[in-house]
Amino acid sequence: GQQVMQIPQYQHVQEGEDFTTYCNSSTTLSNIQWYKQRPGGHPVFLIQLVKSGEVKKQKRLTFQFGEAKKNSSLHITATQTTDVGTYFCADQTGTASKLTFGTGTRLQVTL
Amino acid sequence: NAGVTQTPKFRVLKTGQSMTLLCAQDMNHEYMYWYRQDPGMGLRLIHYSVGEGTTAKGEVPDGYNVSRLKKQNFLLGLESAAPSQTSVYFCASSYSTGTSGTYEQYFGPGTRLTVT
Repeated sequence: GQQVMQIPQYQHVQEGEDFTTYCNSSTTLSNIQWYKQRPGGHPVFLIQLVKSGEVKKQKRLTFQFGEAKKNSSLHITATQTTDVGTYFCADQTGTASKLTFGTGTRLQVTL
Repeated sequence: NAGVTQTPKFRVLKTGQSMTLLCAQDMNHEYMYWYRQDPGMGLRLIHYSVGEGTTAKGEVPDGYNVSRLKKQNFLLGLESAAPSQTSVYFCASSYSTGTSGTYEQYFGPGTRLTVT
């Protein structure tokens, strides 16, 4: 079956540093969604990417969909302590808009 | 709107016991899902439903059963709990797909289950 891997598994940065997580799939991705899960919380939707090469921005967050639709990335500029959490990519495909989640990247930000 | 709610929040079971997790949503969503989350493995789909009275298997359905008797509720049952079912369980719901648009999933707060 499809495997969606994220790297790194964990990253610890100082506040103000940049952060990037990469999402790679063994098969072509359909629609990529990104979710954030705060410690002890539940996943919350951030954004959806549909088109090859698509780039979307949300304030300090930049999301990119690869040209071949086999990878995606999330870049955070100048991290803040509020960015702490685990970031998941998920491929939305097939019937019922099912999601295949990536393994997640846990971000820790310290002052 | 409460969104997606789950009960209970925590539960400890002994091996072989049974239990039912309840998920309720007040957004009139057609689609509902049950996931389990284990460390380092992301979220994995257990079962899902595309509407009242319908259910289907996801990626890891063994040991679980589900029912969707009412549109707003989706129940997850464990008939004979095993330690391997120790996990955090999330319910989610979404609108059904139309022509185009973003159909994100809305998640409940989760149920932390420990099987000893």
